[in-house]
Amino acid sequence: DIQMTQSPSTLSASIGDRVTITCRASQSISARLAWYQQKPGKAPDLLIYGTSNLERGVPSRFRGSGSETEFTLTISSLQPDDFATYFCQQYKTYPETFGQGTKVEIK
Amino acid sequence: QVQLQESGPGLVKPSQTLSLTCTVSGASTSSDNYYWSWIRQPAGKGLEWIGRIYTSGSANYNPSLDSRTALSVDTSKNQFSLKMTSVTAADTAVYYCAREHTSGYALNWGQGTLVIVSS
Repeated sequence: DIQMTQSPSTLSASIGDRVTITCRASQSISARLAWYQQKPGKAPDLLIYGTSNLERGVPSRFRGSGSETEFTLTISSLQPDDFATYFCQQYKTYPETFGQGTKVEIK
Repeated sequence: QVQLQESGPGLVKPSQTLSLTCTVSGASTSSDNYYWSWIRQPAGKGLEWIGRIYTSGSANYNPSLDSRTALSVDTSKNQFSLKMTSVTAADTAVYYCAREHTSGYALNWGQGTLVIVSS
């Protein structure tokens, strides 16, 4: 299985901060990477697919980048609604695998 | 608007079979543009992909669960289902059904259903 490693596990930030989350794959996944946002007690929501494609309705402050084995999710200016846990997922090969998650907390 | 809703017992005894159904609205399980998948999340932990099924009935499974898992689809009811045999406490989790793009990312998720394995 392809292992996905996210860092950091927890991130404390303030409203308006620029936030970056990293996801590393144990082997090349080309651009087959998605990012999800999950709030407590809710199902994940798709934010980005294909490394950098914003899902419909997702604010433009979210940006995905990277290739092969290293990927980032950047939130340009953190908003109150963005405090949540973020997961990356590779879908290059099955089983599809997820990172362990990054919790973005209020500083 | 695509909606998915999981249903099934919330409590299953060890060694028995977990059975869940996902009812889809706003999309058709007959569509050949999507997969229909199951993903689970133990409390406070990450996400584990269980498997996916295509409208034809062709399925892919996580090898770690393959021997115990079976997916099926009923296009007449616009539903798809998960059966997992010989469950243990390690199978306790929130189970999500999802509509997956054929590339592999999950476009829409159900709200999730908690399944506890306990005697």
